[in-house]
Amino acid sequence: QKEVEQDPGPLSVPEGAIVSLNCTYSNSAFQYFMWYRQYSRKGPELLMYTYSSGNKEDGRFTAQVDKSSKYISLFIRDSQPSDSATYLCAMGLNSGAGSYQLTFGKGTKLSVIP
Amino acid sequence: EAEVAQSPRYKITEKSQAVAFWCDPISGHATLYWYRQILGQGPELLVQFQDESVVDDSQLPKDRFSAERLKGVDSTLKIQPAELGDSAMYLCASSSPGGATTTTKQYFGPGTRLTVT
Repeated sequence: QKEVEQDPGPLSVPEGAIVSLNCTYSNSAFQYFMWYRQYSRKGPELLMYTYSSGNKEDGRFTAQVDKSSKYISLFIRDSQPSDSATYLCAMGLNSGAGSYQLTFGKGTKLSVIP
Repeated sequence: EAEVAQSPRYKITEKSQAVAFWCDPISGHATLYWYRQILGQGPELLVQFQDESVVDDSQLPKDRFSAERLKGVDSTLKIQPAELGDSAMYLCASSSPGGATTTTKQYFGPGTRLTVT
């Protein structure tokens, strides 16, 4: 079993739909939880970052962490064609001096159809 | 907005040849990471630097891979000799130092896409 599990999709939704993306993890030592967005042939771009259980909202994006269930989610409201990308969840483990090492999921490829 | 720079963006090489990738982190970022991302997978950490020192290279295949950050700024990742299985995107990320109770975010460069033939 991998430390981080993420359904690779692909996921196709109509414009305006609510999108739900999920990851589970097995290592209870993970302290930080992130979602990155990666467009084709580009580097990952940080979308959401949190270190506690609960919800964090930023515009149309909401990140949810449930440490007791080892489960994180990303919700996208009013999805747009420009949201079409691969979404990667990542878990961070402290590696000293305020830095951390990331373990990524496989990524979920999302297509938003106009 | 400051960005992580990487070059080249694309590299095609024959197996058994040597290849090198360069990364220039965001100015002031003491921590630098190299990741490898195979098509359809998430990035996997190869090596982490804090200034010029290696923090963790446990996932770096040291028989053929080497990484250096001599002056604690830019960094080079080398593969010699390249193998077919090394075809992947090589990503560099950097972060600034965190405090005793805070940490910071990793910012990724655009990556170098390597194809080994």
